[in-house]
Amino acid sequence: QVQLVQSGAEVKKPGASVKVSCKTSGYSFTGYYLHWVRQAPGQGLEWMGWINPKSGGTRYAPKFQGRVSMTRDTPINTAFLDVSGLRPDDTAVYYCARAVEERYYDAVYWGQGTLVTVSS
Amino acid sequence: DIQMTQSPSSVSASVGDRVTITCRASQTIDNFLNWYQQKPGKAPKFLIFSASSLQSGVPSRFSGSGSGTDFTLTIASLQPEDSAIYYCQQSYSTPLTFGGGTKVEIK
Repeated sequence: QVQLVQSGAEVKKPGASVKVSCKTSGYSFTGYYLHWVRQAPGQGLEWMGWINPKSGGTRYAPKFQGRVSMTRDTPINTAFLDVSGLRPDDTAVYYCARAVEERYYDAVYWGQGTLVTVSS
Repeated sequence: DIQMTQSPSSVSASVGDRVTITCRASQTIDNFLNWYQQKPGKAPKFLIFSASSLQSGVPSRFSGSGSGTDFTLTIASLQPEDSAIYYCQQSYSTPLTFGGGTKVEIK
């Protein structure tokens, strides 16, 4: 079955960077877009961008352009989200989510989430 | 960016009641509208795509309708396990955007 397993919680200081991983299994990694979505405590969902694991192509939300990087390592079926210049308002649960064929913008399968806390 | 506005922000209903949530887009999005359910401490669950198509495994008491700018999610007969926050999301163009969420509580 499709599984997305994310790395563990992180605590970072303002200005630092964080790298969150999303290890996938149960399907062809290069076949489906992966999205990153975050959720601040008690708040709604915020889309950050997607990566095409086959080509490595990416599309970021304008809000995050220049501060996030989405990459992948195809031999290990894993995608990564790098966020730099962390601020306290980046404190959130970060999710990876997989799309389906022909519906690239539908986040159908989700990871369990990774809590990133930014605090001095 | 396309703004998504949900109403109400919360609703309290009894088991067996019919519950309707609305979602409005700031511009036409055809039928590129998804619905998600999120329970506390869990990742969102994908419920409905293309405004009205039920994802496999989702109970048939859930249904969606609408096109253009106005959409609805209906729970035909509310069950205790339906207590959650529901989000709409437009899949028409990037940046993808979500509504602010509707909290459904059981009386």
